[in-house]
Amino acid sequence: AQRVTQPEKLLSVFKGAPVELKCNYSYSGSPELFWYVQYSRQRLQLLLRHISRESIKGFTADLNKGETSFHLKKPFAQEEDSAMYYCALSGRGSYIPTFGRGTSLIVHP
Amino acid sequence: GAGVSQSPSNKVTEKGKDVELRCDPISGHTALYWYRQSLGQGLEFLIYFQGNSAPDKSGLPSDRFSAERTGGSVSTLTIQRTQQEDSAVYLCASSLGRGNGPDEQYFGPGTRLTVT
Repeated sequence: AQRVTQPEKLLSVFKGAPVELKCNYSYSGSPELFWYVQYSRQRLQLLLRHISRESIKGFTADLNKGETSFHLKKPFAQEEDSAMYYCALSGRGSYIPTFGRGTSLIVHP
Repeated sequence: GAGVSQSPSNKVTEKGKDVELRCDPISGHTALYWYRQSLGQGLEFLIYFQGNSAPDKSGLPSDRFSAERTGGSVSTLTIQRTQQEDSAVYLCASSLGRGNGPDEQYFGPGTRLTVT
């Protein structure tokens, strides 16, 4: 069985501070991992996926197979980063992702 | 181009009534997903359609839930004899559906269902 855990329901930081949203997963094979974001009054959208190794809006995420983690990081948070963030996992060859419960990020001015 | 659309945006219904939720995916997307988003529960997978293949219904919580996809495009999610615990936001997503694994999903705005 595959599982995604986002231990923090809420993360509150000040503008300019570093931010790390935690994601831990449980999966026996090679996973594909994603971060999705939902800004206020907007649709859920893909932020980044680990295979692309991109930095989107200053966010990066590294897959750590030893710690089974895929934490989302940004060195300097901006107010516009305030949103709900979901980590998701798909098993190799599976089209159906498992989502975490989400972390609400609030960036204060 | 047009994204995924869903209707209605809001639905209030009485316990015991049936409801139908509609999803129009992005044209050309062969894969379509339904999810349920409850407060504090994240996204719960319900059902997955891929082209003309039989759908993966493994996420449907009970036999009161069903979905169909006509002509490989529009999909409807039906909930029969609604219960208060069915209250949630129902999200639809579509993707190209090609390749050997998941590709980017494009989400609709959701339908907020309230069962009174």
